[in-house]
Amino acid sequence: GAVVSQHPSRVICKSGTSVKIECRSLDFQATTMFWYRQFPKKSLMLMATSNEGSKATYEQGVEKDKFLINHASLTLSTLTVTSAHPEDSSFYICSAGQGSGGYTFGSGTRLTVV
Amino acid sequence: AQSVTQLDSQVPVFEEAPVELRCNYSSSVSVYLFWYVQYPNQGLQLLLKYLSGSTLVESINGFEAEFNKSQTSFHLRKPSVHISDTAEYFCAVSEGGNEKLTFGTGTRLTIIP
Repeated sequence: GAVVSQHPSRVICKSGTSVKIECRSLDFQATTMFWYRQFPKKSLMLMATSNEGSKATYEQGVEKDKFLINHASLTLSTLTVTSAHPEDSSFYICSAGQGSGGYTFGSGTRLTVV
Repeated sequence: AQSVTQLDSQVPVFEEAPVELRCNYSSSVSVYLFWYVQYPNQGLQLLLKYLSGSTLVESINGFEAEFNKSQTSFHLRKPSVHISDTAEYFCAVSEGGNEKLTFGTGTRLTIIP
């Protein structure tokens, strides 16, 4: 079946540094990638939707300059958390849309900013 | 705009007992409905989904859910739970033709030995 590989699974970074999270579709082309953030014991909050070759569409309240999304190819989308702060610590999950109600989720990235 | 309500944040159930996890949605158009399961520090795994056709959908591990349009519900059920079913369960909806998924707040299912 379809697989989305998300890396890293865990990352600890210092406050003020940037972190890049990658999601790769391994055996299919992901024209649409969704990026979610999950707070502890909370649901998934959609941050942005990215389509290959175009700018991402951010949800209301999400800082596009802080959460940079790149979807340069049909198999790779990246989320860069710039100038990370402790409040950015969270679980980030990507999901590739396959049309007709199909979605494949990555395994998530636990980001801790110290 | 679509929304999803999962009324129960936590559901404790004895092993081998039946369980129902409730999900209600709100939408003005036709919808696709999903149940996902999440184990600790992992991503989401699709449990089952309703796109069209039969309103009763089943998963390979014994879960089932029934789409009830009049009650705008998509409750998840299992007749006999196992310890391995302990996880967080999320109901989600997307409006037909729109790929954006909206998730409920999740229900933590805890199986008591």
